[in-house]
Amino acid sequence: ETGVTQTPRHLVMGMTNKKSLKCEQHLGHNAMYWYKQSAKKPLELMFVYNFKEQTENNSVPSRFSPECPNSSHLFLHLHTLQPEDSALYLCASSLRDENTDTQYFGPGTRLTVL
Amino acid sequence: AQKVTQAQTEISVVEKEDVTLDCVYETRDTTYYLFWYKQPPSGELVFLIRRNSFDEQNEISGRYSWNFQKSTSSFNFTITASQVVDSAVYFCALSEYIKAAGNKLTFGGGTRVLVKP
Repeated sequence: ETGVTQTPRHLVMGMTNKKSLKCEQHLGHNAMYWYKQSAKKPLELMFVYNFKEQTENNSVPSRFSPECPNSSHLFLHLHTLQPEDSALYLCASSLRDENTDTQYFGPGTRLTVL
Repeated sequence: AQKVTQAQTEISVVEKEDVTLDCVYETRDTTYYLFWYKQPPSGELVFLIRRNSFDEQNEISGRYSWNFQKSTSSFNFTITASQVVDSAVYFCALSEYIKAAGNKLTFGGGTRVLVKP
């Protein structure tokens, strides 16, 4: 596997379900990100992890719970979601340095909440 | 606050036509980076280019070219001799460096390009 992978690619869940999205990067990067892409909104940054430490939580509701066990894996645990949470969830990774880092994205998980 | 505006929501062209995508940004930073990403129907955002604020040279990569003009805060993208495979949504993004969090990207709303055969 190369690049950034995400599983599952599609997920349909009810509002009372609990599910997890998984992201894995094979690029040797040390920062990972979760983004939400809704139909009519720009890409929204949700969480940032640097060296497994969460450094950004962009006012995301607690029904979204991220986990980063190591610099290659990132999870997004979902529980009691709302229909408006239906969106494409994109994971990205980058190699942080002092000036800039280019983020590389996975294919996304298309989530539908019924 | 940073802002990226892509005024064109959708552009439709016939194959082999050139297409230019506009991107205008706002930032108070003196050092910043600009990016273009392509999102085909499969959903993945594909990195195309990164440009730093000190480098105003235009860049060409195959059929793609970029025109960075700091004076007008614009970073436009041109696809020459478009092909059906160029059909996608294209995003312009601006990075803001935050010491603890690294680079935060602010994305524009995207421009959907439809290339018809």
